[in-house]
Amino acid sequence: DQQVKQNSPSLSVQEGRISILNCDYTNSMFDYFLWYKKYPAEGPTFLISISSIKDKNEDGRFTVFLNKSAKHLSLHIVPSQPGDSAVYFCAAAPNRDDKIIFGKGTRLHILP
Amino acid sequence: EPEVTQTPSHQVTQMGQEVILRCVPISNHLYFYWYRQILGQKVEFLVSFYNNEISEKSEIFDDQFSVERPDGSNFTLKIRSTKLEDSAMYFCASSILTVSYEKLFFGSGTQLSVL
Repeated sequence: DQQVKQNSPSLSVQEGRISILNCDYTNSMFDYFLWYKKYPAEGPTFLISISSIKDKNEDGRFTVFLNKSAKHLSLHIVPSQPGDSAVYFCAAAPNRDDKIIFGKGTRLHILP
Repeated sequence: EPEVTQTPSHQVTQMGQEVILRCVPISNHLYFYWYRQILGQKVEFLVSFYNNEISEKSEIFDDQFSVERPDGSNFTLKIRSTKLEDSAMYFCASSILTVSYEKLFFGSGTQLSVL
């Protein structure tokens, strides 16, 4: 039961270029979307979120885009830096619910 | 910055033994969670806890699992009789509000190895 899907297990991007991580979801009740970043041997750390009333949220080098009709969101990182190499988890929560559902994650490698 | 702390970082146990994983959530947070990640798989929700009771649990969280907030600061996950398939990284998390409106803060995890 994959309600949140990240179809690319890994992605390699040249330093300085744009990284685009994609995520699809199936549950139309999801109302709040988040991206988490995880380094080895650490817990996931919150990166950026977006609620369903918006289609874009920007925070420095990170921008999340939400396309509700396509049930798709993406995380853009520009410019990509070596410290961005990590696993990125897309997550979603139904409105007024108290759990978030994670995707399987995408491992991002930033190449020098 | 305040953080969620988990102990131990690594726990090795024999199959059938009981384990208790410990967490200290951020002090002003009201909602507490356990998630786990089996190697190579997604982070899976186990249970959420609010106002001293379980508010939601997944199908993974069967009768072998229990949670407790014994003293107002610790939040524990007990696995009564561990199985090999319980081997995973267990993450504790907390938030001020329900996660529909606020982000989760995660601890760095306890790696449970069941032999």
